[in-house]
Amino acid sequence: DAGVIQSPRHEVTEMGQEVTLRCKPISGHNSLFWYRQTMMRGLELLIYFNNNVPIDDSGMPEDRFSAKMPNASFSTLKIQPSEPRDSAVYFCASRLEETQYFGPGTRLLVL
Amino acid sequence: KNEVEQSPQNLTAQEGEFITINCSYSVGISALHWLQQHPGGGIVSLFMLSSGKKKHGRLIATINIQEKHSSLHITASHPRDSAVYICAVRRAQKLVFGQGTRLTINP
Repeated sequence: DAGVIQSPRHEVTEMGQEVTLRCKPISGHNSLFWYRQTMMRGLELLIYFNNNVPIDDSGMPEDRFSAKMPNASFSTLKIQPSEPRDSAVYFCASRLEETQYFGPGTRLLVL
Repeated sequence: KNEVEQSPQNLTAQEGEFITINCSYSVGISALHWLQQHPGGGIVSLFMLSSGKKKHGRLIATINIQEKHSSLHITASHPRDSAVYICAVRRAQKLVFGQGTRLTINP
């Protein structure tokens, strides 16, 4: 298996633009997590899904952030409009039993 | 105060030294994870503990549920062990992360 796949790996955009991050979990994993990592705050959970259903989105910073999981093999995290303070590395992870498998991350820079 | 506290924040040692990284938490948990983040940014899950001790190669992780404390040990450390080590506690299905310990092993 290729592991968790995220795209793009890097994104540079201007403030106000829409950003869409994509994740393909490992086949057979039924839980998917979106995390954000910054120097100031470390790793933070944004939202997670069980069987494609959003369970807890209390970590989503504000209404500019939204996440979807239309099927078991694909999820998106959208920021609209983006702001410079959204600059971070965004990780997607999928879980089988107790172990989470992290994707390589998307490094986002909002100018 | 953070729910998960790690110490030290930074650790530099010579190759071959025995390394200990500590993690304390303040809430009830169902499990504790140790993660490794390489300089390139990738994150790998090392251990999941709910009690006792686990060993994998040169890495050993222990947890004391009563004291709300876990340690990660590295024996015979090597420069390739240089990374950020992150402790995370599981509450319900969510992980709450410590700030990480940056480990540098010099040859």
